[in-house]
Amino acid sequence: GIQVEQSPPDLILQEGANSTLRCNFSDSVNNLQWFHQNPWGQLINLFYIPSGTKQNGRLSATTVATERYSLLYISSSQTTDSGVYFCAVEYDRGSTLGRLYFGRGTQLTVWP
Amino acid sequence: DSGVTQTPKHLITATGQRVTLRCSPRSGDLSVYWYQQSLDQGLQFLIQYYNGEERAKGNILERFSAQQFPDLHSELNLSSLELGDSALYFCASSPFGVRSYNEQFFGPGTRLTVL
Repeated sequence: GIQVEQSPPDLILQEGANSTLRCNFSDSVNNLQWFHQNPWGQLINLFYIPSGTKQNGRLSATTVATERYSLLYISSSQTTDSGVYFCAVEYDRGSTLGRLYFGRGTQLTVWP
Repeated sequence: DSGVTQTPKHLITATGQRVTLRCSPRSGDLSVYWYQQSLDQGLQFLIQYYNGEERAKGNILERFSAQQFPDLHSELNLSSLELGDSALYFCASSPFGVRSYNEQFFGPGTRLTVL
């Protein structure tokens, strides 16, 4: 199956700092989503970004599908950004369509 | 709030027991997905239903089963529970079955603890 690797596994920042999270995947993908899992366990949709660049407030994401990676940028981080960030992909190998394959996540801790 | 609802939020039960987790998709979504999140396996796809029919199956144990009802809500049944089944179970929904541009939205999850 497809491999989804996220880096770094852990990131500790002070409030106000910027960060870049990376997601590499081993096959061509139809869809790619970024999620934030907050300390209460909820998975929150951040971006649906199979290719190109999107921005939403302090967050932006870029997916370069031809090179099989995606980046999530967090600017001016806040303590509420803490949690685990997941990248998930969907790829087409017949029976694989429809399901999301998740990376192991990046654990982000933002200190005041 | 994603619009996907799951009940119950927490469930504590004993080994050997059977439980049912319930999910209501976002209004208008036809597909429902079930995922399991555990510390050792991470987030893994279990099964997908589209408009009442099973569409795709992942790493779902034979002790587990699911169905989607005519009103599109779904239930995940877990039986003969083992300690290793303790996990966070997510339901997700999307507008379509199998096609591109089919963003999935996740419910708040059900935390299952098997003692």
